[in-house]
Amino acid sequence: QSVLTQPPSASGTPGQRVTISCSGSSSNIGSNSVNWYQQLPGAAPKLLIYSNNQRPSGVPDRFSGSKSGTSASLAISGLQSEDEADYYCGAWDDSPSDHYVFGTGTKVTVL
Amino acid sequence: EVQMVESGGASVQPGGSLRLSCVGSGFIFNNYELNWVRQAPGKGLEWISYISNSGSAIYYADSVKGRFSISRDNGVNSVYLQMNSLRVEDTAVYYCVRDSAGFDPWGQGTLVTVSS
Repeated sequence: QSVLTQPPSASGTPGQRVTISCSGSSSNIGSNSVNWYQQLPGAAPKLLIYSNNQRPSGVPDRFSGSKSGTSASLAISGLQSEDEADYYCGAWDDSPSDHYVFGTGTKVTVL
Repeated sequence: EVQMVESGGASVQPGGSLRLSCVGSGFIFNNYELNWVRQAPGKGLEWISYISNSGSAIYYADSVKGRFSISRDNGVNSVYLQMNSLRVEDTAVYYCVRDSAGFDPWGQGTLVTVSS
């Protein structure tokens, strides 16, 4: 079963914009919605973005998601120290049978 | 408050069995599909199983197919993961998650350690 490909790391200084990519295929991102999860150090993951670009209640609007074809992106604008975490994309995959795939994860460091 | 609370994690020997439980609260349990996700120490997230709201549809990751079994009891707002023939590589924190346009919320997880 496949996984989604993310860069292992990303970094920026406070206030900068950081973008994380998530690359998939026609059976996952190409045909299903993408979600993003944030995992702070020592904590359980938390839903950050759902349905490609929707933010759950309480998630700051500094976080935004987009999708095009078989790729998706998460952008963090106005980077803050508390954004230092691991970020994972995820989507349902239809082939050969239904399963959910997570991205390989990206560690964001605030310099 | 919408909440998922996992339990049942333990240390077991390779080849052993374990049953994880998860109780959901703060929402209408039988309206939602549920999943189990695990995270090995220092590694990323791995989806392992799904169950529909009625229990009629079930999916597994290839890595656990034939060894793990998911079930639910809507009468007590619970989902279970029966794990048999455990391997060292099954060592992980196991999370149950509600499927609600994304996996949300996540519980604190329960640790399963498989070691001789």
